[in-house]
Amino acid sequence: GAGVSQSPSNKVTEKGKDVELRCDPISGHTALYWYRQSLGQGLEFLIYFQGNSAPDKSGLPSDRFSAERTGGSVSTLTIQRTQQEDSAVYLCASKVDTDNSPLHFGNGTRLTVT
Amino acid sequence: AQSVAQPEDQVNVAEGNPLTVKCTYSVSGNPYLFWYVQYPNRGLQFLLKYITGDNLVKGSYGFEAEFNKSQTSFHLKKPSALVSDSALYFCAVRDGSYIPTFGRGTSLIVHP
Repeated sequence: GAGVSQSPSNKVTEKGKDVELRCDPISGHTALYWYRQSLGQGLEFLIYFQGNSAPDKSGLPSDRFSAERTGGSVSTLTIQRTQQEDSAVYLCASKVDTDNSPLHFGNGTRLTVT
Repeated sequence: AQSVAQPEDQVNVAEGNPLTVKCTYSVSGNPYLFWYVQYPNRGLQFLLKYITGDNLVKGSYGFEAEFNKSQTSFHLKKPSALVSDSALYFCAVRDGSYIPTFGRGTSLIVHP
């Protein structure tokens, strides 16, 4: 079946520009996560959506970062006024609404800020 | 608070030899533990999990992991490594929250 889809797969942008990253989760998965993967830093949690509940934004590194999830499905992560330190791979994951189910990851968006 | 430590940035092993990738964790309650594998330019793929029950958990591609509560460890193992096992491996833990914490990852290199 279809997995988690992320677009674009690569994005190069100039410092100061805004970018939008998109995630299409697996159909029926109510939970959606965004993580950031930087070289040698592992996975850094950014934001978590669960159904119609208010998202957990505790991992967003600054107010330049925001995310939304429309209709409980597609999610968009927006980074405003990008900085070079924002360069990383942004991973989206979804899961079914049971405690012990694993995350299903997309292939990520590699963001490069020049 | 929850945390995960993967003490080795890289593990090297010869093909056919057993491999171990180490993981220790810290949680305030009962842990849910996971291993994921990441191949180049791909997202993470689920390998196995420990929720409750038997301490030895078997997963995909011949991997297994042993939960040790007293040592707060969840090491990944495989009896006979393959070159195709070369990848980046992540351990993850969560307790009562819904947000897993991941380790920094361990690069496994299997030499022919």
